[in-house]
Amino acid sequence: AQRVTQPEKLLSVFKGAPVELKCNYSYSGSPELFWYVQYSRQRLQLLLRHISRESIKGFTADLNKGETSFHLKKPFAQEEDSAMYYCALIEDGSRLTFGEGTQLTVNP
Amino acid sequence: DVKVTQSSRYLVKRTGEKVFLECVQDMDHENMFWYRQDPGLGLRLIYFSYDVKMKEKGDIPEGYSVSREKKERFSLILESASTNQTSMYLCASSLDRAESPLHFGNGTRLTVT
Repeated sequence: AQRVTQPEKLLSVFKGAPVELKCNYSYSGSPELFWYVQYSRQRLQLLLRHISRESIKGFTADLNKGETSFHLKKPFAQEEDSAMYYCALIEDGSRLTFGEGTQLTVNP
Repeated sequence: DVKVTQSSRYLVKRTGEKVFLECVQDMDHENMFWYRQDPGLGLRLIYFSYDVKMKEKGDIPEGYSVSREKKERFSLILESASTNQTSMYLCASSLDRAESPLHFGNGTRLTVT
């Protein structure tokens, strides 16, 4: 069964508009969740993790245990935010399970 | 800065060939992983290893095996390549802590004809 789901494969917004990338998870324990990002022609890299409660490049993500969600948000999207975004969940120690990914395009 | 190096950026192999994908990390990380990345399916875990000579099956191990003879090197082996194994393969490593981030290589684009 899918443990991490990202319902939108593609998301397109205009520069300056708010953006929200959705992530839902299924896990019986206490979840450790991450967002990873892959910019064009670059390697996949960590964007942020929920335990840090930090904002990276203007992005934030709040863990909502009631809705089992970890949506990624940014109030004002920039063109350089265009990338593939993956939500990920830690299971069984250090093993990371990824969602299907959302390709974000920010139009000028 | 952690460096995870995958030996080949592009590979083209024929059906039935034995294929080796090599990955080396230079930061003494305990954990190493092999994923395949396919559009619409995200990253799927093939195999992982928490220590030298240890290996664990991921979600899609069928048709693959791995080898970890040294801490820094984790090899993925396709025993008999098939066309449905055409994909982008990503290697990653991490420290031995649950919250440690994964550091990825650049990937190997494998085409099986």
